[in-house]
Amino acid sequence: EAGVVQSPRYKIIEKKQPVAFWCNPISGHNTLYWYRQNLGQGPELLIRYENEEAVDDSQLPKDRFSAERLKGVDSTLKIQPAELGDSAVYLCASSLRGDNEQFFGPGTRLTVL
Amino acid sequence: QKEVEQNSGPLSVPEGAIASLNCTYSDRVSQSFFWYRQYSGKSPELIMSIYSNGDKEDGRFTAQLNKASQYVSLLIRDSQPSDSATYLCAVNLRTIGNQFYFGTGTSLTVIP
Repeated sequence: EAGVVQSPRYKIIEKKQPVAFWCNPISGHNTLYWYRQNLGQGPELLIRYENEEAVDDSQLPKDRFSAERLKGVDSTLKIQPAELGDSAVYLCASSLRGDNEQFFGPGTRLTVL
Repeated sequence: QKEVEQNSGPLSVPEGAIASLNCTYSDRVSQSFFWYRQYSGKSPELIMSIYSNGDKEDGRFTAQLNKASQYVSLLIRDSQPSDSATYLCAVNLRTIGNQFYFGTGTSLTVIP
């Protein structure tokens, strides 16, 4: 069984530029999560989807971040415009349901210069 | 108080010893608890989940849950150098919209 797929693995951009991350969850997993992890910290939830519905986006900085999960499978997280403080690893995870074990993708390491 | 707290360490144990990692959480009605291992530069990898009070064993790993004390721990027996990593505790907090909260992680080094 294939795991969670993310792309790109690394991204370097200048501040004020847009950037997008893509995630394909484990087949059959209805719940999809986007996390941000800063060095030395645990992952912090940005948004959680149940199928195509965003059920928790309270931690998503909505002025510059957006996300979508069309058809309840793949998801895209976008930042526009990026700021220096957005440099972090962006992790996608999926689970069968919302209170279940989560499995993480390899992450995207974003560097904003 | 943070929702999930862990000692950041670093924790060092000799090879073959038992490593004990601890985690406390704030939500009395939480039902789901998880331990993840994260190697440097890698993403978190699920080690164990535990849902009921008591112990749950899987190979060299034992998770212990005490809901009354709001405490979950992970014991690693016969520690190996390959166990050197950061260990993250995660809790599904029912009273905060069923969100998952992660601790900041405990860095473990197993000395050969």
